[in-house]
Order: sequence, then C-alpha cells, then structure tokens
Amino acid sequence: EVQLVESGGGLVKPGGSLRLSCAASGFIFTQAWMTWVRQAPGKGLEWVGRVKSKIDGGTTDYAASVKGRFTISREDSENMVFLQMNSLIADDTAVYYCATDLGRREDYLEDWGHGVLVTVSS
Amino acid sequence: DIQMTQSPSTLSASVGDRVTISCRASQSISIRTSESTITWLAWYQHKPGKLPNLLIYRASTLDSGVPSRFSGSGSGTEFTLTISSLQPDDFATYYCQQYNSEIGVTFGPGTKVHMK
Repeated sequence: EVQLVESGGGLVKPGGSLRLSCAASGFIFTQAWMTWVRQAPGKGLEWVGRVKSKIDGGTTDYAASVKGRFTISREDSENMVFLQMNSLIADDTAVYYCATDLGRREDYLEDWGHGVLVTVSS
Repeated sequence: DIQMTQSPSTLSASVGDRVTISCRASQSISIRTSESTITWLAWYQHKPGKLPNLLIYRASTLDSGVPSRFSGSGSGTEFTLTISSLQPDDFATYYCQQYNSEIGVTFGPGTKVHMK
C-alpha cells in the first residue's frame, strides 16, 4: 500500500522558514517523481514544484510564485522528500500535499499524502 | 506559464444527469510524435477532507479503478471531462491539470459539482 506522510507544518511568522518532510513507502521511491501541491483556505489546488528521480536527472521545477524561495530535495536512502520554505509570506498559508507519479515519469499525480497545514501569520 | 481555465466554476446537477466540464489551456499542451499525439492533461476529483483522486491522464486514459462513467476528451487547448450518469459519490470539485513539464505544471481553478 502506498503511503505518503507529511510532517513539519505549523505556525511561522512572515519572513520565517519552515521545512516540510514527506516519508514515502509502498512503491519504488528511487523511480518516482515527487511533487508538492498546496491548497490555500477556500482556494483550489496549486502546483508548488517537483523533483524528478535521479535516474531522470533529479531536476527540480517550481511554480513562479515560489521560485527562489522554496527548494525541493530528496533523500533516496531514506525514502524522503523535503520542501524547504524560506521568506514565507501570508499567501503561503495552505495545506501542503506531497504527491507522486509512482514512477510513470510524467507529472500527473497517482497518490497523495493527507497534507500538512502551514500558517504564516504574525 | 500556461494558464488553465475551467467552466463552469460551479454546476448544479441531480443523480443520473450527464455532466460535462470544460477546461481550456492558454496554449497547446499536445505534442505530435511520428506515432501519435500525446496530450499532457489530467483530471482530478477532490472532496472536502479527502485526498485528491486522479481520474484521467493523457487527456483520455482512465486511471486504474476509476468508474467507466468518467471519460475525458480533447487535444490542443480544449478539453472535456464527462460523467455519463452522475452518482451520489460524484459530488465534488474537479480540477484539470496540464503537466507539460517543459513549460511548467498548472492546475485549473476547479469546478464544483453540487446537488440541485
């Protein structure tokens, strides 16, 4: 059974930093592209960014709204993916989901975690 | 980045209705190869408090386990999600997503299907 479990959310002040983690199991993590998606309160889904598998170059891509502030990384030895968020602003308040293509090598999302809430407020 | 729009934004329907949701991309998300045309478009269903659920990828391929009453069509910039006979479990918000990673990945704003 595929499991994606996010952690690290919470309340942070504007300008602060937070690091989210996603623990993955139940699939071949090294082959999977790992994605972060967020949903602000009352809003729709927003793609945040993705890290490809190392086999596919391990490259990262980001939404324009977070580029330069957020960094996605992966640790294949631990089946973990991370989202480092810096210079946080109120508009970053959202539930952050970890999701994966399960190795399909495309950016559609087969499985999702339950999400973790990040609140940016003074 | 490619912009995605959906219509309608909300939709009132009854069980048994045929439901159609439209999605439009600001530029083509289809690629023509020597063998076929590949379209980087997916559809998701999302209910409050639940995980988003992949319904369709490559514009028309039904994901494993998704009921056959769901179907997707379109290419280029115009796409459609159809529910042939709406069931009680189908009241939800539906999102299209373009995933041409050469250009960037974006979701549409969503279409909420609620009970008439």
